[in-house]
Amino acid sequence: AQSVAQPEDQVNVAEGNPLTVKCTYSVSGNPYLFWYVQYPNRGLQFLLKYITGDNLVKGSYGFEAEFNKSQTSFHLKKPSALVSDSALYFCAVSRDMNRDDKIIFGKGTRLHILP
Amino acid sequence: NAGVTQTPKFRVLKTGQSMTLLCAQDMNHEYMYWYRQDPGMGLRLIHYSVGEGTTAKGEVPDGYNVSRLKKQNFLLGLESAAPSQTSVYFCASSYLRLSRDGYTFGSGTRLTVV
Repeated sequence: AQSVAQPEDQVNVAEGNPLTVKCTYSVSGNPYLFWYVQYPNRGLQFLLKYITGDNLVKGSYGFEAEFNKSQTSFHLKKPSALVSDSALYFCAVSRDMNRDDKIIFGKGTRLHILP
Repeated sequence: NAGVTQTPKFRVLKTGQSMTLLCAQDMNHEYMYWYRQDPGMGLRLIHYSVGEGTTAKGEVPDGYNVSRLKKQNFLLGLESAAPSQTSVYFCASSYLRLSRDGYTFGSGTRLTVV
């Protein structure tokens, strides 16, 4: 069975500093990995995904994520945080073994960027 | 380009009342999903559909029913609402590959059962 863990409920970062939101996963076979962002009173928005290829994936709004197979991690990063990055971030994992494979979401990490 | 539209956006129900949440997508997606989001619990899958006329149970299906009579619509019903069903409900859809392309989400329905 697939699972995904986001070990931090909340991350606080000063504006302009680099940020990291952590994610680890467990899946049999090759994983598909996703990051989504949720702003207040909005649905989840797709940020980026890893399917195959380059371990460093670039996404929307200057975010990137690094796939690390040996550590089963897919941490979200940004070199310089903005106050507008404050939101709830979800890591998600799936695989493509059969028709019923679904995306499993983590519990979310709330990111606070301090001015 | 509407994407995924959920109606209503807000609703207050009394215990025991029934209601239907509507999800409509205009992207010709095959797969549709209903999630509920609760603090500290993340997103939990209620029911999903892999095509018109099909439905399947997710992680937390009890107390809910769904129907997918038309490809573009996915309805979530609460027959007898309970306070435990107070939550934010999200609909999502995806194209052919169930997991490869990610999901497109609606903006949510905030339901309060009193």
